[in-house]
Amino acid sequence: GENVEQHPSTLSVQEGDSAVIKCTYSDSASNYFPWYKQELGKGPQLIIDIRSNVGEKKDQRIAVTLNKTAKHFSLHITETQPEDSAVYFCAASKGNQFYFGTGTSLTVIP
Amino acid sequence: EADIYQTPRYLVIGTGKKITLECSQTMGHDKMYWYQQDPGMELHLIHYSYGVNSTEKGDLSSESTVSRIRTEHFPLTLESARPSHTSQYLCASGGGGNTEAFFGQGTRLTVV
Repeated sequence: GENVEQHPSTLSVQEGDSAVIKCTYSDSASNYFPWYKQELGKGPQLIIDIRSNVGEKKDQRIAVTLNKTAKHFSLHITETQPEDSAVYFCAASKGNQFYFGTGTSLTVIP
Repeated sequence: EADIYQTPRYLVIGTGKKITLECSQTMGHDKMYWYQQDPGMELHLIHYSYGVNSTEKGDLSSESTVSRIRTEHFPLTLESARPSHTSQYLCASGGGGNTEAFFGQGTRLTVV
């Protein structure tokens, strides 16, 4: 089966700085990689995703990169704001199931 | 905003009680999932369904059971709750293929 590893588990940055969260996966057949943000007391919500035929995707301050050869993908948040503070999950999927990373708790310090 | 709903949001119940956590989605998704989320954040898949009358156990062993009689409804039942069942339970649904999963708000269960 798929194994997704996520680092770091906790991350603190100053407001305005960038944050990077990295994930690796083991199954080369995985072809869909979503990132979720979970705020306190809520369920995870999709913030960005990437498919295996694309190397990079950007949406305003959020970007995701994918290296299929190395089997790793990363989330980049630029110009961080206090409202970016949350738990972030990466996931890998090859159709029917999602395999989640262990989560990163991001704190943006004003 | 996703149209997937979980009830109740919070539940405190005594040991030995039978409980059912409700999950409904109005998006017509065939695939639905139940995850257990421990205090350390990690999401563990406990059940999933690919459609009506289809249910499978996930990676994490669970004493709960599920049913899928209607596309929109995927309830989770604990026949006899124990303190070890205390956790956050998240329901999700997906449209199939490589598309996102939508999560409900979760049910925080405490068994005393």
